[in-house]
Amino acid sequence: AQSVTQPDIHITVSEGASLELRCNYSYGATPYLFWYVQSPGQGLQLLLKYFSGDTLVQGIKGFEAEFKRSQSSFNLRKPSVHWSDAAEYFCAVGANQAGTALIFGKGTTLSVSS
Amino acid sequence: DVKVTQSSRYLVKRTGEKVFLECVQDMDHENMFWYRQDPGLGLRLIYFSYDVKMKEKGDIPEGYSVSREKKERFSLILESASTNQTSMYLCASNRGGPYNEQFFGPGTRLTVL
Repeated sequence: AQSVTQPDIHITVSEGASLELRCNYSYGATPYLFWYVQSPGQGLQLLLKYFSGDTLVQGIKGFEAEFKRSQSSFNLRKPSVHWSDAAEYFCAVGANQAGTALIFGKGTTLSVSS
Repeated sequence: DVKVTQSSRYLVKRTGEKVFLECVQDMDHENMFWYRQDPGLGLRLIYFSYDVKMKEKGDIPEGYSVSREKKERFSLILESASTNQTSMYLCASNRGGPYNEQFFGPGTRLTVL
């Protein structure tokens, strides 16, 4: 069965510092992987996704993520964090099968300090 | 732009009441989803639908039912609300396969007293 683990419940980063949010997945075949962000009081917004090909994917708002099959990881990174990046971040994994749904991790809350 | 709307942002109901949460999407998406979001538990799938009148149970369907009579509308029903159903409920939709982006509504925060 598919599963997603986000080991960090809460992370605090100084504004301007780099960021890495961890995501580990469990899935037998090549998964579809996603990162979503949820700002306070808002629904979820897609940051980026990976299906195949280049293992480094670029997303919106300056985020990128790298798929590492050997580590079953899909970590999210940003070189310089802005105060507006404070939000909750969710990693999700999907199967290549119609009629199935995504499995979400429990989320990582990012706080940005000045 | 894809838009997913939910009928209420905040809702307060009493134990035992029947509760309807409505979700409408305007992009002709085949798939629609209902999640509940609780602190520390992330998003958990309640039900989803991949076609009109079709539904599939998610991870936590107990105490809930759904209805999809029209393609654009997906309703979540709490037959007899209980306090442990106090939560944030998120609706989402997407087109085609699971590799396509899910678009989310703003959520309904339901409190059951």
